[in-house]
Amino acid sequence: DSGVTQTPKHLITATGQRVTLRCSPRSGDLSVYWYQQSLDQGLQFLIQYYNGEERAKGNILERFSAQQFPDLHSELNLSSLELGDSALYFCASSVEGLRGETQYFGPGTRLLVL
Amino acid sequence: KNQVEQSPQSLIILEGKNCTLQCNYTVSPFSNLRWYKQDTGRGPVSLTIMTFSENTKSNGRYTATLDADTKQSSLHITASQLSDSASYICVVSPYSGAGSYQLTFGKGTKLSVIP
Repeated sequence: DSGVTQTPKHLITATGQRVTLRCSPRSGDLSVYWYQQSLDQGLQFLIQYYNGEERAKGNILERFSAQQFPDLHSELNLSSLELGDSALYFCASSVEGLRGETQYFGPGTRLLVL
Repeated sequence: KNQVEQSPQSLIILEGKNCTLQCNYTVSPFSNLRWYKQDTGRGPVSLTIMTFSENTKSNGRYTATLDADTKQSSLHITASQLSDSASYICVVSPYSGAGSYQLTFGKGTKLSVIP
């Protein structure tokens, strides 16, 4: 158990709909990252928040948005869903050490768009 | 463009045997390299992390090596167990400063250990 929690574990919805994925980081971790992993693909970085502020953006579509709240939990909002958005969505929280940052991943949310 | 290439894509070995997974990267400037283990449908778990000045790191039966000159890394698994069946992902972190660590992930090697 990494200490990072994600809800829901599974989500089935229809094209055109909007969903919200939730992530609670490990206690004390200020950074939250969101990733998308499609079938047989590597993890794709979407966006990073640090202490409530957006710090870096990756390959995140305009239909997707995220935020980090004062209690440090984060939400990823996916709207106008398309079939191709079906994927595993992971969040990770991080801590910096002598060798750099280590990211701890949550169990993921599996999204299926029908 | 930063890239991480892993080989082989998949591998089947007998329980108890050793195996080596390869990772080549083009990320520059380079901060550190990690190997993660990802069980099917679950989040990746860190196995090892190495900076550019380290060339080997062990974690139990897992030993990672790094050659920063040739931009290659390998993960050696000794005396494999059925529980080693998973995807092994090579992840490279560029130095980007400002506390932002945009990792570049390989697609992983899917290892199956059979009895």
